[in-house]
Amino acid sequence: SQQGEEDPQALSIQEGENATMNCSYKTSINNLQWYRQNSGRGLVHLILIRSNEREKHSGRLRVTLDTSKKSSSLLITASRAADTASYFCATEDAGNMLTFGGGTRLMVKP
Amino acid sequence: EPEVTQTPSHQVTQMGQEVILRCVPISNHLYFYWYRQILGQKVEFLVSFYNNEISEKSEIFDDQFSVERPDGSNFTLKIRSTKLEDSAMYFCASGLGANYGYTFGSGTRLTVV
Repeated sequence: SQQGEEDPQALSIQEGENATMNCSYKTSINNLQWYRQNSGRGLVHLILIRSNEREKHSGRLRVTLDTSKKSSSLLITASRAADTASYFCATEDAGNMLTFGGGTRLMVKP
Repeated sequence: EPEVTQTPSHQVTQMGQEVILRCVPISNHLYFYWYRQILGQKVEFLVSFYNNEISEKSEIFDDQFSVERPDGSNFTLKIRSTKLEDSAMYFCASGLGANYGYTFGSGTRLTVV
């Protein structure tokens, strides 16, 4: 698989449930970032976790990073219909270059 | 909150024509990027720009592409002779550097006909 692969590719949940998305990567990184994209719109930076961090929180978002497994997860708690979007992980290397994964399409049903 | 501004939001062009996509990054940012996203596909890195020169470029960024920061505020992507396969959403991004995250513009949807 390529750098920054997300799974699942698509996720459908009910409002109020938690959503978990996973990301795997292959090479060494400075940090891993999660972005959100509403259909046809730009990418919005959600959260960044550095390679020496294991967990980070921001509001309803919780990100974990396991550098030994080269994987990360994004948890959205108490999801809302407005969370419906595509979520991308992106790894930043020493050259300040972001490499994006294929994304997870999240649908939150009201 | 500061924004990265891209214009136009949508451009339709004939195959073989030149297009210039424009971006105004956030004023105190130092690193500038262009990415593209073909409909339904991954976001792909094109080029990064720092200290008034290209720092990295991908295989996609061939001789048809060029970037400029002509006046200290604008950051442009030029495609000299567009092809049908250049149809995509093009995103500009800027940032302060490693571990700060990046701010993306809303994108320019380029349609080559």
